[in-house]
Amino acid sequence: GESVGLHLPTLSVQEGDNSIINCAYSNSASDYFIWYKQESGKGPQFIIDIRSNMDKRQGQRVTVLLNKTVKHLSLQIAATQPGDSAVYFCAEKRETSYDKVIFGPGTSLSVIP
Amino acid sequence: NAGVMQNPRHLVRRRGQEARLRCSPMKGHSHVYWYRQLPEEGLKFMVYLQKENIIDESGMPKERFSAEFPKEGPSILRIQQVVRGDSAAYFCASSPPWEGETQYFGPGTRLLVL
Repeated sequence: GESVGLHLPTLSVQEGDNSIINCAYSNSASDYFIWYKQESGKGPQFIIDIRSNMDKRQGQRVTVLLNKTVKHLSLQIAATQPGDSAVYFCAEKRETSYDKVIFGPGTSLSVIP
Repeated sequence: NAGVMQNPRHLVRRRGQEARLRCSPMKGHSHVYWYRQLPEEGLKFMVYLQKENIIDESGMPKERFSAEFPKEGPSILRIQQVVRGDSAAYFCASSPPWEGETQYFGPGTRLLVL
């Protein structure tokens, strides 16, 4: 069935280092991918998105890479800060429809001061 | 522009009672989605609604769960005769009335069934 999954459930990084969170997806029909950040007790917060006609997109301190050949998505966080500690979800949907968002299981990022 | 609002933030019910969860979408958003999140898991889609219409309820349990988005007022997710397995965080998301836009999430309602 359709699924979005993450390679690593937990990730610990030193403050100031770069973080890389990986994600695999299986639905070839998905053409829109989103990364969400969820802090404890809060709802998912949009970080960055990417459409399937792109392979890289940059935001403020974050970069998303999309490899459609191997159905792989990654989120890179530069100079990780304590405030980046959260659970990160990759998610997918079909852009051209009012489709539901399919979430992966999440990766917990812990930043060590 | 206020974000998606949900209330209550926390709800405690005893088995057999009813739970009503409310969601007010962002201003200008006419599409509402409900998701459920169990502890240590990702969010699972439940239902997608537009004003006065249920568009996709493929993720809703067949019994005890219902959702509405009336012409006026918030969207309501209703759970009748709650059981302990209904304990979860329920998130609402909204998106504007054009295709391809990101969904923005509310803070969630944490339901605890005793």
